Amino acid sequence: LAKTTQPISMDSYEGQEVNITCSHNNIATNDYITWYQQFPSQGPRFIIQGYKTKVTNEVASLFIPADRKSSTLSLPRVSLSDTAVYYCLVGDPGGYQKVTFGTGTKLQVIP
Amino acid sequence: GAVVSQHPSWVICKSGTSVKIECRSLDFQATTMFWYRQFPKQSLMLMATSNEGSKATYEQGVEKDKFLINHASLTLSTLTVTSAHPEDSSFYICSVLAGGPGETQYFGPGTRLLVL
Repeated sequence: LAKTTQPISMDSYEGQEVNITCSHNNIATNDYITWYQQFPSQGPRFIIQGYKTKVTNEVASLFIPADRKSSTLSLPRVSLSDTAVYYCLVGDPGGYQKVTFGTGTKLQVIP
Repeated sequence: GAVVSQHPSWVICKSGTSVKIECRSLDFQATTMFWYRQFPKQSLMLMATSNEGSKATYEQGVEKDKFLINHASLTLSTLTVTSAHPEDSSFYICSVLAGGPGETQYFGPGTRLLVL
C-alpha cells in the first residue's frame, strides 16, 4: 500500500484558494488518488479522485504531475465551512480497494 | 456516489454488554464493506473488510471474536462489539466499496460508542 505524507495543518483566510499537497512516492501503476473531507464526528466525504493530469469537479480540482509521486488538492475561495480534515488516499482499485488513512491535513479557515 | 447509513448514530452501554451497529448501503449493492475505528484527534484505522456471504477479513491486532462482523446481504453489514469495555469507546465508521474506475469508498455518518 502506498504511504502518503501530508502537512499536519494549514491555515487560510476566507476567500483564498487553498492548495494541499500529498506525497506518495511509492504509488503503484494501478493506484488511483482520492481525497476525502471529514468534519468532526462525521464520516469522511468523497471530494475528488484522479489517476493523472488534472481533474476538476464542482467543489475542487486535483492536480497530478506526470510522475504521479504527489498530488495537490485545490479548493477555490474557501469559506469557514471548509474547515475540516482532508485526507489523501492512494489505492489499487482492482476490485478491492483497501486503503490506509494517513494523518490528514487539518485546514482552519480564518474569517 | 453511494449513500450509506449507520444505526445507531450514538450509543451508551455498560461495560460487559454487547452492542450491534448496522451499516446500510441505501442505493448500491455492496459486495464489499469496510469497518473503521477512529479515536479522538486520530485518523481512521481499518478494522476489517466485510464481504457479502463470506467471513470478514480482520486487520492485524483486531480481535475477530470481539468484533463480530456479519455481511448477510448486499445492503447490510453489522458490527457487534461483544463484552464491551471502556477502551472500546470510539467512533465507528463503515464504508462501501462502490464501482467506477477508482473503486471509490463511500462512508457512513459514523456511530459514537461510549462504554461506561
